[in-house]
Amino acid sequence: NAGVTQTPKFRILKIGQSMTLQCTQDMNHNYMYWYRQDPGMGLKLIYYSVGAGITDKGEVPNGYNVSRSTTEDFPLRLELAAPSQTSVYFCASTPRGPVGEKLFFGSGTQLSVL
Amino acid sequence: QKEVEQNSGPLSVPEGAIASLNCTYSDRVSQSFFWYRQYSGKSPELIMSIYSNGDKEDGRFTAQLNKASQYVSLLIRDSQPSDSATYLCAVDTGRRALTFGSGTRLQVQP
Repeated sequence: NAGVTQTPKFRILKIGQSMTLQCTQDMNHNYMYWYRQDPGMGLKLIYYSVGAGITDKGEVPNGYNVSRSTTEDFPLRLELAAPSQTSVYFCASTPRGPVGEKLFFGSGTQLSVL
Repeated sequence: QKEVEQNSGPLSVPEGAIASLNCTYSDRVSQSFFWYRQYSGKSPELIMSIYSNGDKEDGRFTAQLNKASQYVSLLIRDSQPSDSATYLCAVDTGRRALTFGSGTRLQVQP
């Protein structure tokens, strides 16, 4: 059972470039999340989705976009990358929401914008 | 005021001692509280959840919740070097997603 899979694991971008971070889960979870974690800090919510076709902004959505066309996939798009987006990005999922359920995390994507 | 606050540490304890990690939160409507452990370079993993005032024990871990004081803590008894990690407090504030604190780094000295 693969769980939550994130690709790529590492990426270096130049300022102004764009990229998509991929996240897929094979557990048929409805809720999916994107968090970013800056060095020595906690997790900040970027976007989340409660089901296919439904997404909503989190705490730090600026500079990012998401889509949820299927239950399995929740890609995160970075447009016009900036150094402030250098971070580790975690995708997570849970069956019915975070209350009473643990978050299943992917292994993370380390992104550097230079 | 941050929604979820933790002392960043590092908290250093000798092997075999009790480690006490603290977390305060600002939203009185919060009902669910979680402790995640994160090893360096790894993703967080859930170790404890607590929903009611009082203590909840699971092996060497005890979570304590005081909603009146808006305070949740994690005690680790008989600390081991393998417990060295960052511990993240997370709170459900009714927004369909958890809000995380910045984490406390724990170092257990052999």
